[in-house]
Amino acid sequence: EPEVTQTPSHQVTQMGQEVILRCVPISNHLYFYWYRQILGQKVEFLVSFYNNEISEKSEIFDDQFSVERPDGSNFTLKIRSTKLEDSAMYFCASSPLSLTGGNNEQFFGPGTRLTVL
Amino acid sequence: GESVGLHLPTLSVQEGDNSIINCAYSNSASDYFIWYKQESGKGPQFIIDIRSNMDKRQGQRVTVLLNKTVKHLSLQIAATQPGDSAVYFCADAPLPWGQNFVFGPGTRLSVLP
Repeated sequence: EPEVTQTPSHQVTQMGQEVILRCVPISNHLYFYWYRQILGQKVEFLVSFYNNEISEKSEIFDDQFSVERPDGSNFTLKIRSTKLEDSAMYFCASSPLSLTGGNNEQFFGPGTRLTVL
Repeated sequence: GESVGLHLPTLSVQEGDNSIINCAYSNSASDYFIWYKQESGKGPQFIIDIRSNMDKRQGQRVTVLLNKTVKHLSLQIAATQPGDSAVYFCADAPLPWGQNFVFGPGTRLSVLP
């Protein structure tokens, strides 16, 4: 069964450093997403990506964040200068294009735990 | 601001009983709703979805009910099993076919033997 994969599973970094979180979406999916979940809190939408551009983004997704699909398989989230409050679990998700617009089942990866010291 | 919230943070049920998990949403323009299950250490897993033009949708052992009048969503799990123990989130995607899903804080379901 195809699945979304994410690397690394755990990333520890110093405040102010840049991090890149990597995701490999399901191969025939066309929409890609990043979410974060601060420990003990709800899942928060960061950004969606379609056709090589950002489709929607939340208020959390400020200038410190960027996404990229550098090749046909990877989807990355970059945080340019990490802050302590960026510590969270980051989930990547993908979904197939829905021609009817009515079913947007998202398949989530296992997450990357980012710890900013 | 708009938000999706859950009435009960925890729910304990006996194995074999039915479970009902509730969710309230505040965005009257919401069009699409999803229930997710999240097991410890894993990412959210899609369970079932419903659009605003429906009031009920059934899956395998699960049923989602939508009451647009009171902006309420529920997930019913029939014959709850130990493997159903997890945190359940509702999420709302406002129009138009947005992907900016707003998640509720989650309800932890514990299945007792």
